[in-house]
Amino acid sequence: DAMVIQNPRYQVTQFGKPVTLSCSQTLNHNVMYWYQQKSSQAPKLLFHYYDKDFNNEADTPDNFQSRRPNTSFCFLDIRSPGLGDAAMYLCATSRVGGDQETQYFGPGTRLLVL
Amino acid sequence: GDSVTQMEGPVTLSEEAFLTINCTYTATGYPSLFWYVQYPGEGLQLLLKATKADDKGSNKGFEATYRKETTSFHLEKGSVQVSDSAVYFCALSGGSNYKLTFGKGTLLTVNP
Repeated sequence: DAMVIQNPRYQVTQFGKPVTLSCSQTLNHNVMYWYQQKSSQAPKLLFHYYDKDFNNEADTPDNFQSRRPNTSFCFLDIRSPGLGDAAMYLCATSRVGGDQETQYFGPGTRLLVL
Repeated sequence: GDSVTQMEGPVTLSEEAFLTINCTYTATGYPSLFWYVQYPGEGLQLLLKATKADDKGSNKGFEATYRKETTSFHLEKGSVQVSDSAVYFCALSGGSNYKLTFGKGTLLTVNP
């Protein structure tokens, strides 16, 4: 089945230690998104890629970066995680030109910062 | 800007009860409307959607109708099950920026 895959499902890191979260997709979608979701809140968009074009949200901290080396993969890098960065991180994809407004989400990576 | 207001929870029902979760929106133009469901510890799953006025989205016994005149997209199910316990998010997508605007989510608990 075509899907959005996130690895790992759970990630523990130390305060200030860089961490990378991974997302891959077999849907061949051209837009990939990263969201941060804290407990009992709606997901908050951090940034998205439309093909290779990176689009950062105005209020996303500089501590968060992203890379998209090819259509299938997208990474979220947190350069110096703080305690406030502990959250669920969700990757999503959509396809411009087809059912472009529908986003499909992965299972998420729960990040714990010690 | 665009916004979504949905019924605040938590909502607690007995099995086989009727469910309504209200959702209203504010948007320019003609957005597409969505309901996503999130089970504990999981990502969001698309439950149903509607792309134009009077469209009805349906899936797994859930339904919602795009009402332009009342700017609403209320989620309904005739008979809920324990397995429907989850957080439900109403969302809209409009324009060319490919972004979703979410409501705050409604926690539904269904007791046997």
